[in-house]
Amino acid sequence: GAVVSQHPSWVICKSGTSVKIECRSLDFQATTMFWYRQFPKQSLMLMATSNEGSKATYEQGVEKDKFLINHASLTLSTLTVTSAHPEDSSFYICSAGTGDKNIQYFGAGTRLSVL
Amino acid sequence: GESVGLHLPTLSVQEGDNSIINCAYSNSASDYFIWYKQESGKGPQFIIDIRSNMDKRQGQRVTVLLNKTVKHLSLQIAATQPGDSAVYFCAESRGAGTALIFGKGTTLSVSS
Repeated sequence: GAVVSQHPSWVICKSGTSVKIECRSLDFQATTMFWYRQFPKQSLMLMATSNEGSKATYEQGVEKDKFLINHASLTLSTLTVTSAHPEDSSFYICSAGTGDKNIQYFGAGTRLSVL
Repeated sequence: GESVGLHLPTLSVQEGDNSIINCAYSNSASDYFIWYKQESGKGPQFIIDIRSNMDKRQGQRVTVLLNKTVKHLSLQIAATQPGDSAVYFCAESRGAGTALIFGKGTTLSVSS
């Protein structure tokens, strides 16, 4: 199956710093990637839809200036959490679709802990 | 609001039993459904999918049933194994290229 690589898998940072998370489709091209956030024992909540070569579409309540998304190529999307605060601590997961049906393949997730 | 939800947050079974995980969805416009398995600290893993023009689809040890009349989706796992222990999510799609909407998840615990 298609492979989506997400890096880093775990990051600890100080409050006020910025953190970049990368999401790569390794063996297919993804015109659209998605970013989700997941709190402990909860479901995945969509944050934004990332389209290659255009601005991301954010879900209601998600601050676009805080969660910067860049989709510069068909295989890479990045999420930057700017000026991170403890409440941003969460599990961030990206996914990418192959275009066939709407199967989405997920990265392994990034555990962000903001001190 | 419209969402995909699950009937039971937890399910405990014995190894070798069959497991049934249920999901209810509310949007009749959804045309594609997927079951994912998520192990602790990992991303969701695709299990099986079904289109709205079908009512049953079988995979290896898994079967998905779709009842559009009552907007109900289920995942059946045959001969459940300890390695099946995880959180299971159903997700609905409202068209190719759109984001998936996830249900709340059911935690499956398999004891030996």
